[in-house]
Amino acid sequence: DAGVIQSPRHEVTEMGQEVTLRCKPISGHNSLFWYRQTMMRGLELLIYFNNNVPIDDSGMPEDRFSAKMPNASFSTLKIQPSEPRDSAVYFCASRYDREVTEAFFGQGTRLTVV
Amino acid sequence: TQLLEQSPQFLSIQEGENLTVYCNSSSVFSSLQWYRQEPGEGPVLLVTVVTGGEVKKLKRLTFQFGDARKDSSLHITAAQPGDTGLYLCAGEVIQGAQKLVFGQGTRLTINP
Repeated sequence: DAGVIQSPRHEVTEMGQEVTLRCKPISGHNSLFWYRQTMMRGLELLIYFNNNVPIDDSGMPEDRFSAKMPNASFSTLKIQPSEPRDSAVYFCASRYDREVTEAFFGQGTRLTVV
Repeated sequence: TQLLEQSPQFLSIQEGENLTVYCNSSSVFSSLQWYRQEPGEGPVLLVTVVTGGEVKKLKRLTFQFGDARKDSSLHITAAQPGDTGLYLCAGEVIQGAQKLVFGQGTRLTINP
């Protein structure tokens, strides 16, 4: 397996534009996490899916953020409209949710909103 | 408010020295994991501790889970430049969904 695949690796956009980040989890994994990483706040959990269903979205900062998982092999995180304070590295991670298992991370998407 | 507090946040020491990184919380976790992250990459798992008081060793790295399952430590003996990186602790939250929450990380630099 190629691991968790995120696209794009880098995204530069203007304030007010819509941004969509994509994630392909590892085949067979049934849990998917979206995290945001900044120097100030570290790695923050935004939303968590289990079997394609959003279980906990309490970390989503505001209504401008939305996430979907239409099937077991694809998820998106959308920001509309984007703001400069959304600039960060966004990570997707997946794992097989039984007892205690490792979360496998993608390489992240570095988002810059100017 | 950070659920997991790591300390120190930055540490720069000389090769050969020993160091300890701490991960503390007021919450109880069903398990705790330590990850290491290289620049431009996602975090990669080093170890998982599950039982209160558990100690695991990975070469020069020793990981301990607190008896009450609220805290953990990472001790590195005779640090080497290759140990340089960002070390993250992550706790499995017990209540409700099994979500994985991370500390802010400890950025470790080992100078030759």
